[in-house]
Amino acid sequence: GQQLNQSPQSMFIQEGEDVSMNCTSSSIFNTWLWYKQDPGEGPVLLIALYKAGELTSNGRLTAQFGITRKDSFLNISASIPSDVGIYFCAGPSNSGYALNFGKGTSLLVTP
Amino acid sequence: SAVISQKPSRDICQRGTSLTIQCQVDSQVTMMFWYRQQPGQSLTLIATANQGSEATYESGFVIDKFPISRPNLTFSTLTVSNMSPEDSSIYLCSVELGRGTGELFFGEGSRLTVL
Repeated sequence: GQQLNQSPQSMFIQEGEDVSMNCTSSSIFNTWLWYKQDPGEGPVLLIALYKAGELTSNGRLTAQFGITRKDSFLNISASIPSDVGIYFCAGPSNSGYALNFGKGTSLLVTP
Repeated sequence: SAVISQKPSRDICQRGTSLTIQCQVDSQVTMMFWYRQQPGQSLTLIATANQGSEATYESGFVIDKFPISRPNLTFSTLTVSNMSPEDSSIYLCSVELGRGTGELFFGEGSRLTVL
């Protein structure tokens, strides 16, 4: 399947700081999605992007679909302790409607 | 979205045994998938569960090891057969609601530990 390279692998920040993570693909995507996974839970969809250049916000989260259609980033502004978790980017797989996932960015926020 | 319930939520299993995981959705869905998440890793697609026919498996996964059933549009099972410690993972059921958006929704996962 398509290779998704997500970075950074982990981040350790203080409450109130902004965070940025990104994902690149080996092939062109027509959809980018960002998920968050809390410990012991399944991934939860945060933001879905459908058009190159699209910039979409969900509260303190903002994600952009890169103009080349091979990359996306997720920003979190003014982080809070409940932002702790693993963030995954995802894009279409070769298997119909399934998704391929990046390796995840583990975020730790200290009060 | 949809409410996706998985059972069991966690289990400890003995080597050589098999365990069946159930996934129940609160609405009819076209597409259901099973993913595996090994400790500290990302999600890997095992197979697409097809209603009324055999599942479609990804490279590296075979029906004898991971038999899947999907008798209707709201229910699926994944069996992990002849388990070994390497099968210790979280197994996740996922659905696409048929809106063509590509958005997948996930159950809470079934965490299996094989001793």
